[in-house]
Amino acid sequence: AQKITQTQPGMFVQEKEAVTLDCTYDTSDQSYGLFWYKQPSSGEMIFLIYQGSYDEQNATEGRYSLNFQKARKSANLVISASQLGDSAMYFCAMRENAGGTSYGKLTFGQGTILTVHP
Amino acid sequence: NAGVTQTPKFQVLKTGQSMTLQCAQDMNHEYMSWYRQDPGMGLRLIHYSVGAGITDQGEVPNGYNVSRSTTEDFPLRLLSAAPSQTSVYFCASRERGGLRNEQYFGPGTRLTVT
Repeated sequence: AQKITQTQPGMFVQEKEAVTLDCTYDTSDQSYGLFWYKQPSSGEMIFLIYQGSYDEQNATEGRYSLNFQKARKSANLVISASQLGDSAMYFCAMRENAGGTSYGKLTFGQGTILTVHP
Repeated sequence: NAGVTQTPKFQVLKTGQSMTLQCAQDMNHEYMSWYRQDPGMGLRLIHYSVGAGITDQGEVPNGYNVSRSTTEDFPLRLLSAAPSQTSVYFCASRERGGLRNEQYFGPGTRLTVT
């Protein structure tokens, strides 16, 4: 079964508008972390934002925020005021605690390609 | 700091050839991992290491070997390349510790097996 599901293969947004990229996850752990990465066409993986399962507040980093709904097991990325440079592939990923042995193993979703139109 | 470095950036192999993808990090991170990225499948974990001398298999280990003789280096060996191993390979490292610690990725190696 997929542990991380990103159901939107592609998304389009107008410059300066907000966009939400969906991510749902599946885990039986109580302690886990959720990450979003950006991969521009140049190929590097850029860390954007992190949400811990016990964090009471939704994470925010500049124009990025994470809409974390624990009961629904969703961790959607919201990008406000989209810019042309936001056009990229976006990956949601999860790190489970796995009995304290969270050795850096990230499980990734399939990715969503975001295109920002001028 | 150079961060995580990978060589080569691009490689073309013929079926049956072997090669080693190099990965090094200068951040004294204990944890290192190798992922492969294929279209529509995200990144999948091949092998990982929690310290020098300790390695373990990830989700898709078949056809690959790793070793970790030093903290800095974590090479990935393809024993007998197959077209199914055509992919982009990422090495990553992070500090030992909690869930929050960021994973740093190398720039990737694009491998084509013909």
